[in-house]
This record gives sequence, structure tokens and C-alpha cells, in this order.
Amino acid sequence: QVQLVESGGGVVQPGRSLRLSCAASGFTFSTYGMHWVRQAPGKGLEWVAVISYDGSDKYYADSVKGRFTISRDNSKRTLYLQMNSLRAEDTAVYYCAKDLPVRPEIDYWGQGTLVTVSS
Amino acid sequence: QSALTQPASVSGSPGQSITISCTGTSSDVGGYNYVSWYQQDPGKAPKLMIYEVSNRPSGVPDRFSGSKSGNTASLTISGLQAEDEADYYCSSYTSSNTRVFGGGTKLTVL
Repeated sequence: QVQLVESGGGVVQPGRSLRLSCAASGFTFSTYGMHWVRQAPGKGLEWVAVISYDGSDKYYADSVKGRFTISRDNSKRTLYLQMNSLRAEDTAVYYCAKDLPVRPEIDYWGQGTLVTVSS
Repeated sequence: QSALTQPASVSGSPGQSITISCTGTSSDVGGYNYVSWYQQDPGKAPKLMIYEVSNRPSGVPDRFSGSKSGNTASLTISGLQAEDEADYYCSSYTSSNTRVFGGGTKLTVL
């Protein structure tokens, strides 16, 4: 079965950096687009970024463009999110998610990792 | 990248039907048949309920159905059950190759 396990969350000061990881199993990781989606405490879902199956295409939400970088290592079946210049408003649970087969829609989600940006 | 518009809350009694709307623009909902709906229980990850406007993944009850007209998509739940109480989010592919979510709708089963 599909499993997506996020790690790397924690408490970080404003302006600092953090890297999230997402370990994938149960499907052919190298053939699926992958996403990061976040949810601030008590708020709705916010799409963050997507990367194509081979890493050649990446797209970002305006709110993180220039600060966050999505990447993947297909040999390790792992998705990453490098977050720089963190702000208080980046505080959220960050979910890793995969696309449906040949459709630009998310089907499976990980359980999320909490990032808290606070001094 | 404005969020899709959903009602903040809807409610219904067991056995009734409810519909949640999701309004976007011609650059997202109206331009593509890649509209999805997700159910989220408190403290849990979202679960896919509908994809490509009206398709149900395996295991999702046929009480859940989706449709679209112009820039507005809709999720209908018929024969409401207590277990359907949750937050529901719509999502769409966009002309910028990004994705956008709705603000979410809290469904209360009375």
C-alpha cells in the first residue's frame, strides 16, 4: 500500500532554514508527480509546490516562491522541501502527497510534519 | 492564486442530502476537468473522495458524487450519515500548472 512518511519538522527561528523529507513506499515513486501542501493551525489547506516525476519541472505557490525549493531523489524514493528565510506565517503542518496516475490531482497524502516558526 | 470559494459550513440531518459548492475562475475550475474533493477528519490527513470532477476512487461510497457547471464545481452527499461529519476541501489544477484549494467547508450532521 502507498506510504508517505514526512520528517524534519520542528521549531525554528524566523529567518532560519529547515529541510523536510518525505520517504515513499508502496508505489513506483519515479513515475509520479509529487507535492507539498501545508495547513496552518486551525486553517485550510494551502498548496505549496509540485515536482514532476523526473524533477525537470517545478512549480510553486506565490507565497513561497524564491524561498522554498522542492526536489526529489528517485534512487532514494525521497521527496524534499528546502525552506529558507522562514516566517511566522509558514507555521503549519506540511503534508507530502502524490499525484494520481497520469492526472494532475492528488490521491494519497502523508500524515504530515509540524513546522513552527517562532523566536 | 486566490483560493477557490466554498461555504464555511453546511449542515444536514441523517438521511438528507447536502451540496457543497466550489467556485473558481476560467483559469482553474472552469478551464479543466481536474477538480478533486477531499474529506478531512480532525487531526488527520485529507482523503480523496472525488477526482476529475465526478469520479469516485475505489472504496468511496456512491453516496458521494461530484459535478461541475461553468466555474463552479459541486460535491453532493446523499443519505447523510453521522460518519460524514468532517471538513471538505475542493481543489483544481490551474493554467499556471499549479494547484489551488478551496477554503474548506465544515459539514455538521445534526
